[in-house]
Amino acid sequence: DIQLTQSPSFLSASVGDRVTITCRASQDISSYLAWYQQNPGKAPKLLIYAASTLQSGVPSRFSGSGSGTEFTLTISSLQPEDFATYYCQQLNSYPRTFGQGTKVEIK
Amino acid sequence: QVQLVQSGAEVKKPGASVKVSCKASGYTFSIYEIHWVRQAPGQRLEWMGRVNGDNGNTKFSQKFQGRVTLTRDTSASTAYMELSSLRSEDTAVYYCARDTYFGDGLDIWGQGTVVTISS
Repeated sequence: DIQLTQSPSFLSASVGDRVTITCRASQDISSYLAWYQQNPGKAPKLLIYAASTLQSGVPSRFSGSGSGTEFTLTISSLQPEDFATYYCQQLNSYPRTFGQGTKVEIK
Repeated sequence: QVQLVQSGAEVKKPGASVKVSCKASGYTFSIYEIHWVRQAPGQRLEWMGRVNGDNGNTKFSQKFQGRVTLTRDTSASTAYMELSSLRSEDTAVYYCARDTYFGDGLDIWGQGTVVTISS
């Protein structure tokens, strides 16, 4: 199985900060990576697919980059509604594994 | 609008089985795959498997092979996940989610079904 490791696992930031989350894959997954946002008690929400394509309706302050084994999710200016947990998922092969998550909290 | 609506919370005893349904609306059910993802309390998302909406073809995580059955009823636009031989570690929220047409992300999610295993 492909392992995904996110860093950091926990991040404390302020409104307006630029935030970057990294996802590293244990083997080459090309650009087959998606990012999700999950709020407590809610289902995840797709933010980015194909590593860098913004899902319809997602604010442009979210962006994704990378290919191969290293990927990043960037929030250019953190908003109050962005405090949540973020997960990456690889779609290169089965099983479609997720990272362990990065919780973004208010400083 | 496009949505997935799951069945309600379940409480089961160890060794029993549970079957969760996921009803789709607002799109052509047979064109897309439905994936199942679970999340134990305080844990990461865990991919369980998927069923093809058209031909019923399935793929599973090896972890659940032999214990999970994924089916669909195209006439009812509904997918089902049945998990057997339940144990306490199966206590989790179970989600169904629709894969995008090109298989590059889960774009529509059900609201989640809480399954509690307790003797």
